Amino acid sequence: DTEVTQTPKHLVMGMTNKKSLKCEQHMGHRAMYWYKQKAKKPPELMFVYSYEKLSINESVPSRFSPECPNSSLLNLHLHALQPEDSALYLCASSQGTENSNQPQHFGDGTRLSIL
Amino acid sequence: AQSVSQHNHHVILSEAASLELGCNYSYGGTVNLFWYVQYPGQHLQLLLKYFSGDPLVKGIKGFEAEFIKSKFSFNLRKPSVQWSDTAEYFCAVNAPGTGGFKTIFGAGTRLFVKA
Repeated sequence: DTEVTQTPKHLVMGMTNKKSLKCEQHMGHRAMYWYKQKAKKPPELMFVYSYEKLSINESVPSRFSPECPNSSLLNLHLHALQPEDSALYLCASSQGTENSNQPQHFGDGTRLSIL
Repeated sequence: AQSVSQHNHHVILSEAASLELGCNYSYGGTVNLFWYVQYPGQHLQLLLKYFSGDPLVKGIKGFEAEFIKSKFSFNLRKPSVQWSDTAEYFCAVNAPGTGGFKTIFGAGTRLFVKA
């Protein structure tokens, strides 16, 4: 079992809906990440939070809005998504982003389908 | 820009066969390299990592990888695969960017082991 918990596991939404993905870790990690993974492709980085501050935004469209309420929680707010946004959304955490030797711990992901 | 190349996209082996998956990276600085594995229906998890020291690193489940600096390579090996090794394998490098280090993944290699 992973130590990074993501909810919901599956989400189906229409293009006009607003929903949120949630991620939680209790390992004391100070960096948290959102990735998007399409079928048969590697994870693509979307956002990085370091010490609860957004440190990396990989030019993600504004219809994706991340939020880090505290060091254990990471949300991804979704609004007006497009069918091409259907994918597996992965959350990960690591001890920090200051050093390059930190592996990431991944959640099981939320499988998102946009109708 | 930093990149990671995995040579084999699909590999099919019989049980007890030896495995070698190729990985090359383009980053010229000090590197930290990882292999992650994603078993069917499960989350991405760390298989092994290289930071410094002995270029031959051992990971979980009998896997090992060799860092060859002159070839910019970090190939994954296992002497004798099992059916349970069927999974997707991602090579990754932590590279510096604005806002801290981030993980760059290769395209992945899908391994199928025949029983």
